[in-house]
Amino acid sequence: KAGVTQTPRYLIKTRGQQVTLSCSPISGHRSVSWYQQTPGQGLQFLFEYFSETQRNKGNFPGRFSGRQFSNSRSEMNVSTLELGDSALYLCASSPGGQGYGYTFGSGTRLTVV
Amino acid sequence: GESVGLHLPTLSVQEGDNSIINCAYSNSASDYFIWYKQESGKGPQFIIDIRSNMDKRQGQRVTVLLNKTVKHLSLQIAATQPGDSAVYFCAEKDNQGGKLIFGQGTELSVKP
Repeated sequence: KAGVTQTPRYLIKTRGQQVTLSCSPISGHRSVSWYQQTPGQGLQFLFEYFSETQRNKGNFPGRFSGRQFSNSRSEMNVSTLELGDSALYLCASSPGGQGYGYTFGSGTRLTVV
Repeated sequence: GESVGLHLPTLSVQEGDNSIINCAYSNSASDYFIWYKQESGKGPQFIIDIRSNMDKRQGQRVTVLLNKTVKHLSLQIAATQPGDSAVYFCAEKDNQGGKLIFGQGTELSVKP
């Protein structure tokens, strides 16, 4: 059974640019959540999508957005990148609904220069 | 806001000893808790979970204890091995949906 796949693994972007990250959940999982991990702030929740609808949103500015497709794959977008956006972005897949179990991907390491 | 916090940022143990990692949570309505292990350059790896209607759950070499009275969670690792060296996070599931609230993490170092 394939795990959670995140692409790309590494990205280097310049301030002011935008970036799109992709996450393919475990087959059959309908919920995808995104987290930002930094040394200073730890793991922080960005948003969760379930059946193509945003179900929860964390305390991040509107530059951070996401979407989910009908096949449950999800993308997150960060516009007008800032140096502080440099982080490991993690995606977690779960069955959704009242299901439990959250499996993380290996993450995308974003560096903003 | 609600948060999950860890008591000890670092823990150093001898190979073969038992390890205990602690976690305090503040949301008494949280219904699900998970322990993750994260190695350098990797995403968090699921270790064990527990629902709020349980006090204890055991896995292979790991046990999670939940004390709802004092809102405390612990992870016990038996016969700790060098491969257990990593950062360990506790997380609670927000009862409003699929949001996980993570603790700050504890770095476990196992000395051979």
